[in-house]
Amino acid sequence: QLQLQESGPGLVKASETLSLTCTVSGGSIDSSNYYWGWIRQPPGKGLEWIGSVYHSAYTYYNPSLKSRVTISIDTSKNHFSLKLSSVTAADTAVYYCARHSRVSSKSLNWFDPWGQGTLVTVSS
Amino acid sequence: QSVLTQPPSASGTPGQRVTISCSGSSSSIGSNTVNWYQQLPGTAPKLLIYSNNQRPSGVPDRFSGSKSGTSASLAISGLQSEDEADYYCAAWDDSLGGHVVFGGGTKLTVL
Repeated sequence: QLQLQESGPGLVKASETLSLTCTVSGGSIDSSNYYWGWIRQPPGKGLEWIGSVYHSAYTYYNPSLKSRVTISIDTSKNHFSLKLSSVTAADTAVYYCARHSRVSSKSLNWFDPWGQGTLVTVSS
Repeated sequence: QSVLTQPPSASGTPGQRVTISCSGSSSSIGSNTVNWYQQLPGTAPKLLIYSNNQRPSGVPDRFSGSKSGTSASLAISGLQSEDEADYYCAAWDDSLGGHVVFGGGTKLTVL
């Protein structure tokens, strides 16, 4: 059974870089059928996709976050990571990682399964 | 502001049938399939419907999805108290190089 687990600091200072890692267990991250994604949810608000990475390191990013986001993958460690720079209070959210199904080289589809999520608070 | 539009709330009594709509554009729902997620209070979202109308293993057949043009719907029949949750639609959007768009979410209350 595939499981994903987010890890990283729960508190980040404003203007600094948020860094999280998602460790995948029960399956290989080196699959041609899947990307691996990050999604966030501010307290009391809806879901926002951040970006997704393929085992080749090809990425798709949310256009509204693209200038601040880097998603990388390490197939040897079976994990992928998120870096979000120049954070503000608006970046306070629960951050989820999830497996992202691949339809074609130009289209992705559903997220399943999801990690349990980790709350990251940006302090001033 | 979300790119996919959902009603913020919906409600029904046990046993009733409830539908939740999701409206998009030609580059999102009009060109790609729709997925639905259920988020129970305090938990991570869970895939409920994928590729417009497919149910993952373990999802009751009370849940069904449909798509027409640039809109989609989630239907829940035989409503149960444990269905009280937030529901999100999502789709791939071909514009701007390709990206995922979510609806704003619909909070379903079982009266």
